[in-house]
Amino acid sequence: NAGVTQTPKFQVLKTGQSMTLQCAQDMNHNSMYWYRQDPGMGLRLIYYSASEGTTDKGEVPNGYNVSRLNKREFSLRLESAAPSQTSVYFCASSMNQPQHFGDGTRLSIL
Amino acid sequence: QKEVEQNSGPLSVPEGAIASLNCTYSDRGSQSFFWYRQYSGKSPELIMSIYSNGDKEDGRFTAQLNKASQYVSLLIRDSQPSDSATYLCAATGTASKLTFGTGTRLQVTL
Repeated sequence: NAGVTQTPKFQVLKTGQSMTLQCAQDMNHNSMYWYRQDPGMGLRLIYYSASEGTTDKGEVPNGYNVSRLNKREFSLRLESAAPSQTSVYFCASSMNQPQHFGDGTRLSIL
Repeated sequence: QKEVEQNSGPLSVPEGAIASLNCTYSDRGSQSFFWYRQYSGKSPELIMSIYSNGDKEDGRFTAQLNKASQYVSLLIRDSQPSDSATYLCAATGTASKLTFGTGTRLQVTL
């Protein structure tokens, strides 16, 4: 089993560009999450989806949108990228807890 | 704001010694607690879960929970250089979410 798969692994954007980070899980988990991790800041929750068809804001949702496409897939969209969104992004999934993480996407915005 | 607090370290221990990592949490409603290990440039990996007061052992790892003191710890016996990583403590919060600490960096020296 692949677990939680994130694409792409690396991306460089220019300020103002848009992009979508993809996440898929094959563990039949109900809940999915998007985090960003910055040095010294730990993991900060951007958005989560407790179940298919629902999404909710986390700690740092500004500048992001999400779509729970189906039970397997949860995407994160940056509509107009800003340098402050340079970070490592992790997707996670769970059936209750604990959460299982994907390998991450390293995103740089110039 | 519910919080999980960890000393950022680095915690330096010699090879073969016991490493003790500590975590406190503010939400008395938290029921489940997790320790994740994160190597540099990698994603968090679940290593221990603990749900009730007392000790839980798994190989060289022991998790300890004291709900009255709102305290969780992780002991690593016979520490190895391969244990050098950042250890994240997490506690369940509201609505399917986890609250993560910022992590303690462990260095195991030869």
